Amino acid sequence: GQNIDQPTEMTATEGAIVQINCTYQTSGFNGLFWYQQHAGEAPTFLSYNVLDGLEEKGRFSSFLSRSKGYSYLLLKELQMKDSASYLCAVRTWGKLQFGAGTQVVVTP
Amino acid sequence: DGGITQSPKYLFRKEGQNVTLSCEQNLNHDAMYWYRQDPGQGLRLIYYSQIVNDFQKGDIAEGYSVSREKKESFPLTVTSAQKNPTAFYLCASSPQSEKETQYFGPGTRLLVL
Repeated sequence: GQNIDQPTEMTATEGAIVQINCTYQTSGFNGLFWYQQHAGEAPTFLSYNVLDGLEEKGRFSSFLSRSKGYSYLLLKELQMKDSASYLCAVRTWGKLQFGAGTQVVVTP
Repeated sequence: DGGITQSPKYLFRKEGQNVTLSCEQNLNHDAMYWYRQDPGQGLRLIYYSQIVNDFQKGDIAEGYSVSREKKESFPLTVTSAQKNPTAFYLCASSPQSEKETQYFGPGTRLLVL
């Protein structure tokens, strides 16, 4: 079966950096996605990794190690609007399997 | 504007009633998906369709049914057999390319009276 784990909640102050880890055990791995979801809204795409290494996109970066079944999302220069749930999703056999999400709370 | 629309935003179901959630996309995407999200949980796949007139069960298909008669439309029916239907339902679509993300609609919140 599939198993995707991420922390339930993280708190950080405005301007700081937060790293959200995601570990997975899946068969047929074909890419890992990170999404941001504000309460009551649809998830929006943040990043995609299929090869090992770091992908950088502005204040957000994502890292993947396929041999370790591990990814992280790095949020830099945190802003209040970054308070949201961050979902890790693994693509296997054409479908996405989602983790439960990490609620990030940004404090002033 | 291209995008995915879902209606209604809120839907109420009575005991023993079937209800249908609408999902329409004008992105010309081949694949479409239905997810259910419960509070504090991730998205769970109900059904998906990779081509018109074909669809497959996801992880929690029991009590749900779908159709895919047109490329643009993928309605989800929550039947009376679904005993715990209260949830946030999200529709998504994607191109067939493995590198492409799924694009999500705004969601429908289903509540039981």
